[in-house]
Amino acid sequence: QKEVEQDPGPLSVPEGAIVSLNCTYSNSAFQYFMWYRQYSRKGPELLMYTYSSGNKEDGRFTAQVDKSSKYISLFIRDSQPSDSATYLCAPHAGNMLTFGGGTRLMVKP
Amino acid sequence: EADIYQTPRYLVIGTGKKITLECSQTMGHDKMYWYQQDPGMELHLIHYSYGVNSTEKGDLSSESTVSRIRTEHFPLTLESARPSHTSQYLCASSEGGVGRYGYTFGSGTRLTVV
Repeated sequence: QKEVEQDPGPLSVPEGAIVSLNCTYSNSAFQYFMWYRQYSRKGPELLMYTYSSGNKEDGRFTAQVDKSSKYISLFIRDSQPSDSATYLCAPHAGNMLTFGGGTRLMVKP
Repeated sequence: EADIYQTPRYLVIGTGKKITLECSQTMGHDKMYWYQQDPGMELHLIHYSYGVNSTEKGDLSSESTVSRIRTEHFPLTLESARPSHTSQYLCASSEGGVGRYGYTFGSGTRLTVV
């Protein structure tokens, strides 16, 4: 079993929808929980991170971590076609990132 | 503006050729990584380095080799390219403690072996 699991999708939503992207993990030592966005044929770019449990908001994006259930979420409000990309969760314990397989999101105009 | 540079962006090469994919970063990061990623698939760590003269193999078995003679430079070499090496290769770097900054990725090299 992989340390970090993500539904690969694709997830298709209409423009303006609220999107929920999720990951589960197994390593209790993870402390930082990062989300990367990867556009087609590009390298991943860091979108946001959360330290330990709780929520963090950045514009239309909200990251949420529940360490008790080992569940990570990324919410996108008012989704735009430009949000169409693959989203990878990447938790770590301070040394090396462990990437999920990524969820492909398509936002249709 | 990218602080980690990969060249070439695209490469088409014949079977049996030796190739080197270049990766350079200007951030002074100690740690550098090479990932292999097929289209629409997950990232696979193939090599990493924690500093000059330090290199380790990653989770995915690879026929490539790496070197780290300078902090800013982490080239990946394939001695004899095969069609099975066709993939996208992504280079990344990070500070000593990954912390809240995570990895910075390059734009990748898309390799096609014919």
